Amino acid sequence: GAGVSQTPSNKVTEKGKYVELRCDPISGHTALYWYRQSLGQGPEFLIYFQGTGAADDSGLPNDRFFAVRPEGSVSTLKIQRTERGDSAVYLCASSLGGAGGYNEQFFGPGTRLTVL
Amino acid sequence: AQSVTQLDSHVSVSEGTPVLLRCNYSSSYSPSLFWYVQHPNKGLQLLLKYTSAATLVKGINGFEAEFKKSETSFHLTKPSAHMSDAAEYFCVVSGRSNYQLIWGAGTKLIIKP
Repeated sequence: GAGVSQTPSNKVTEKGKYVELRCDPISGHTALYWYRQSLGQGPEFLIYFQGTGAADDSGLPNDRFFAVRPEGSVSTLKIQRTERGDSAVYLCASSLGGAGGYNEQFFGPGTRLTVL
Repeated sequence: AQSVTQLDSHVSVSEGTPVLLRCNYSSSYSPSLFWYVQHPNKGLQLLLKYTSAATLVKGINGFEAEFKKSETSFHLTKPSAHMSDAAEYFCVVSGRSNYQLIWGAGTKLIIKP
């Protein structure tokens, strides 16, 4: 079946602009996660959704970052007033469940964001 | 707090020889541990996981890892490397919440013909 998809695959923007990154999880997966992977590092947790609600947003670096999942499926990560330090690969993952026992997270290919 | 250290940023082996990718972790409680693989331009894929059952864990593509609590290690091994194994490998520990994964910096595995 179809895996996790992310669009766009690449996004180049200018400092100060607003960007939206989209994630389509595997059908039926209730849990969705966003990670950020900077060059030469492992992914860093940003936010976890269970259904429509953000169950844990403790990884969001500041209030310029926001994510939504209004219908419990597709999610959008929104970054306001982008800065050069936001340049990274943004990864999305989904799983059947979330907390209360490990559920394998399936990852999308990521969106490479470059802020000039 | 939980943390993961991958001891080598790059490992280079010849095709057909054994692979060893080293990982040490720190956790204030009994962790779940994972290895993920990332091939170029592809999503991260789970290789194997340890969740407090058998300490020797077998994964996909002939990889296995052994959980050693006394050494706080979870090294990844494969008896014979294949060209298709060339990729980046991440050692991961679960946070206090099972969904929150804490990642090592990655080890790039290079396979020489």
